[in-house]
Amino acid sequence: QSVLTQPPSVSGAPGQRVSISCTGSSSNIGAGYDVHWYQQLPGTAPKLLIYGNSNRPSGVPDRFSGSKSGTSASLAITGLQAEDETDYYCQSYDSSLSAWVFGGGTKLTVL
Amino acid sequence: EVQLVESGGGLVQPGGSLRLSCTASGFTFSRYWMTWVRQAPGKGLEWVANIKQDGSEIYYVDSVKGRFTISRDNAKNSLYLQLNSLRAEDTAVYYCARLRSDYYYYMDVWGKGTTVTVSS
Repeated sequence: QSVLTQPPSVSGAPGQRVSISCTGSSSNIGAGYDVHWYQQLPGTAPKLLIYGNSNRPSGVPDRFSGSKSGTSASLAITGLQAEDETDYYCQSYDSSLSAWVFGGGTKLTVL
Repeated sequence: EVQLVESGGGLVQPGGSLRLSCTASGFTFSRYWMTWVRQAPGKGLEWVANIKQDGSEIYYVDSVKGRFTISRDNAKNSLYLQLNSLRAEDTAVYYCARLRSDYYYYMDVWGKGTTVTVSS
């Protein structure tokens, strides 16, 4: 059971917008710790997608955006493309556990 | 090119030991925190350990405390993870990653991983 809760799966048609939630608590996201997002293609290492809640590293398309409010964060993907079909993970810090924590991951399916 | 390359994984019996290595290139290794993250087969990501630039601060996830040891050799641009008293649940792909710590703390560069299998 992950400290950060993500939906196991989401889906959307090409060109549509989807959102992936990451729900935490008062000891992690709600305590003000930042949220970062990673994309992991099958059989490969994770890749940084969003850092500091809403910042995109160079090279990440602006179709990807992040936000944070209260005890939750969200990753939004607009203009869905077939290549976006993969796994996404949120990550933050938990003060009760004194540990960096990941969400359980969300598999995005492009219909 | 900024790169991290892990090595040292393999098949080991329960209770055994293994030493993982991660060699960095393309950046000044000594200026960065480093981290190990693992992923069990078909499962999500799990943070394992962090180490500060000079090794003066080290943090572990509870499940590996007392069994795993993270270390680094800045002269060799290398990060290590000593795995002792291995259990079946330690079976995973182990990734090393660079940990940015300028304002936000996040993992911006990842290696391709090395696989550890604990089985008799």
